[in-house]
Amino acid sequence: DTAVSQTPKYLVTQMGNDKSIKCEQNLGHDTMYWYKQDSKKFLKIMFSYNNKELIINETVPNRFSPKSPDKAHLNLHINSLELGDSAVYFCASSRDLQEKLFFGSGTQLSVL
Amino acid sequence: QKEVEQDPGPLSVPEGAIVSLNCTYSNSAFQYFMWYRQYSRKGPELLMYTYSSGNKEDGRFTAQVDKSSKYISLFIRDSQPSDSATYLCAMSDSSASKIIFGSGTRLSIRP
Repeated sequence: DTAVSQTPKYLVTQMGNDKSIKCEQNLGHDTMYWYKQDSKKFLKIMFSYNNKELIINETVPNRFSPKSPDKAHLNLHINSLELGDSAVYFCASSRDLQEKLFFGSGTQLSVL
Repeated sequence: QKEVEQDPGPLSVPEGAIVSLNCTYSNSAFQYFMWYRQYSRKGPELLMYTYSSGNKEDGRFTAQVDKSSKYISLFIRDSQPSDSATYLCAMSDSSASKIIFGSGTRLSIRP
């Protein structure tokens, strides 16, 4: 019974395509996040939503658009994929902004 | 200069050794300090969570925070092969609007 689940686990696609990654949490948390982890394991926040409202929007290209249909879901849509977008994307949730993060198992995105 | 610096390793020690992992940071406003463990092809999972300075112990793990030196440590006693993973330090300020992660230290425990 996974707490934070994201799909797909692997995503291989061509440059220029549009793709989406879905995330769901069943912990009843109010805050959800998207993090990007590069090949050197550096984990960087992209977005956070609190009660479906965008709280953090780091300097991420506007090709990346998060969507939160409800508190339990935060999806990430990426337009016009580029080679540099290849990374592992992690969804996470927390009870509130000051609380501990619970991560999903990641989506490995490879752009060819 | 990055806000949080962490030696990437890899660090390889024999089973049973005491492991010391460290991070330094530059933002004196950081109040919350965390250590996450990440196994290969998995998401990070929280190991230790401390507020402000001091020590916190949980089983074989001890987290130390020295705010005067802007230095945090994680000690692992009686290390086991199952402790082999990447360890990420993380911290945030009192607003906790975002958590900043170190780049992670890859640890390998040799049987």
